[in-house]
Amino acid sequence: DTGVSQNPRHKITKRGQNVTFRCDPISEHNRLYWYRQTLGQGPEFLTYFQNEAQLEKSRLLSDRFSAERPKGSFSTLEIQRTEQGDSAMYLCASSLDFRAQYFGPGTRLTVL
Amino acid sequence: LAKTTQPISMDSYEGQEVNITCSHNNIATNDYITWYQQFPSQGPRFIIQGYKTKVTNEVASLFIPADRKSSTLSLPRVSLSDTAVYYCLVGDRGMDSSYKLIFGSGTRLLVRP
Repeated sequence: DTGVSQNPRHKITKRGQNVTFRCDPISEHNRLYWYRQTLGQGPEFLTYFQNEAQLEKSRLLSDRFSAERPKGSFSTLEIQRTEQGDSAMYLCASSLDFRAQYFGPGTRLTVL
Repeated sequence: LAKTTQPISMDSYEGQEVNITCSHNNIATNDYITWYQQFPSQGPRFIIQGYKTKVTNEVASLFIPADRKSSTLSLPRVSLSDTAVYYCLVGDRGMDSSYKLIFGSGTRLLVRP
C-alpha cells in the first residue's frame, strides 16, 4: 500500500499527558498537511509543510501543539499537556504541489 | 469560514443517479472545485476536481457552469457502499497559497436498498 499512513490509529491518554502522532506521506509528495476533525464536523486545517519547511499554522494550533517534518519525509504532531478538548480525529494529507490532497486513515485521540 | 454551501442530507436508492449541488458564490479566479467522500472513522477520499465545464473519471462526473458559482457532483448508479458524507471544497491554487482545504459540514448521502 503506497498511500498515506498514520500511527497510531487510536490513542487514549489522561489529561495533562503528552502525545505524539506520526504521518508518513506518499513518497513523492512534497506537501504535507495536518487537519483535526471532531464528531459531525468537517476537518479543520491545522498546519502545512512544503518539504521540511512549516509554512502555515492555523490559529487553532495553540502553543501546546508542535509539528515537525525533518528531512521533508514523515511528520510528527505533538500535543503537550493534553486537554479533554483535544479529543478528536487527527488527519494527515499529502499532495504533490497543488494537486489533490490524499488523506491518511487518521489517529483518533481520546483524552480522559 | 467554508466558501461552499451544500445540502445537509440526501436520500437515494440503489441503482439511481445522485446529483449533489454545491453553491460557491464567492469563488475566486484561481479557485478549483474539489469533492471528497468520507466514511465514518476514515480520512476523506478524493473523488474529483475541476475548474470549469465538465470533468469525468471512473467514479463520478463534475459539472461546472460558465459562471462557476455552483457545481454538481454526479454519482451514476449508486450502491449501498456509496452511503457517506460528501464534501465540496474550493481552494486557491495560487503560487503563494498553501492550498489548505476549508471543509464545511458536507452532505450526508444515504443510499437505501
